[in-house]
Amino acid sequence: DSGVTQTPKHLITATGQRVTLRCSPRSGDLSVYWYQQSLDQGLQFLIQYYNGEERAKGNILERFSAQQFPDLHSELNLSSLELGDSALYFCASSPRPQGTAKNIQYFGAGTRLSVL
Amino acid sequence: AQKITQTQPGMFVQEKEAVTLDCTYDTSDPSYGLFWYKQPSSGEMIFLIYQGSYDQQNATEGRYSLNFQKARKSANLVISASQLGDSAMYFCAMREEGSYIPTFGRGTSLIVHP
Repeated sequence: DSGVTQTPKHLITATGQRVTLRCSPRSGDLSVYWYQQSLDQGLQFLIQYYNGEERAKGNILERFSAQQFPDLHSELNLSSLELGDSALYFCASSPRPQGTAKNIQYFGAGTRLSVL
Repeated sequence: AQKITQTQPGMFVQEKEAVTLDCTYDTSDPSYGLFWYKQPSSGEMIFLIYQGSYDQQNATEGRYSLNFQKARKSANLVISASQLGDSAMYFCAMREEGSYIPTFGRGTSLIVHP
C-alpha cells in the first residue's frame, strides 16, 4: 500500500458528462500530481499542486481542471467527456514539489474511467 | 527529444532466473534521480527502486538492483530469482534536479514463465 488513496476505483459514464476524481496523498506529502494513462499515449502528466498551489501543468485539456484543498486532498474534474477520455487516471504524491533525492513519487491505485 | 528510452517492449524469463530490463536516459543536468516502477495487470503503479546521480553504489532493494552506468547513461533494472508475480509492466523514469515532473519511459512488459 503506497499510502495514496484514490476514489472511486472505477467510473463508468456517458459522453458529455462531468466526473470528479478524488485523491488523498500520503501523510505528510504536500505535493500531488495527476497523470493519465491510456494505451496509445502511455503515462501523461496532467498537473501538479504543492500545498494548495498549482506548480506545473502538462498535457491537460481545457475541459479538465484540478485543485488541492487545505487538507491537501486533491480533486480532478473532467467535463464534457469524450470517448477518448477513457483511461486510467493516477494521482501521485511526494514530500516536496521538485528535487530528486528521496523525493519519490508514490502512486495511488488509479481510477479507471470508461466513457460510453 | 526522448529523455527516457526503454527499447524492450516485451521480455520473457523463466521462473527463478534473473532478468535485466534496459533503460537509457538523456540529460545534461549533473543532478538527477532515476526511478523504476512496476505496474501489474491490476493497474497500480508500485515504486521499486531509486538511484541518485551522485550515489556511488548501485541501488538495491531486495531482489531488485539497479545497474547504474553513468557514463553510458543507462539505468538497467535487474530482477534476480524471478517469480510469477513479477509479471508486469516496468517503467523507468528520471527527474532532473529542479524539475517538478519526472519523465517516464514507455515501459517494458515482463512475462515470467513457470
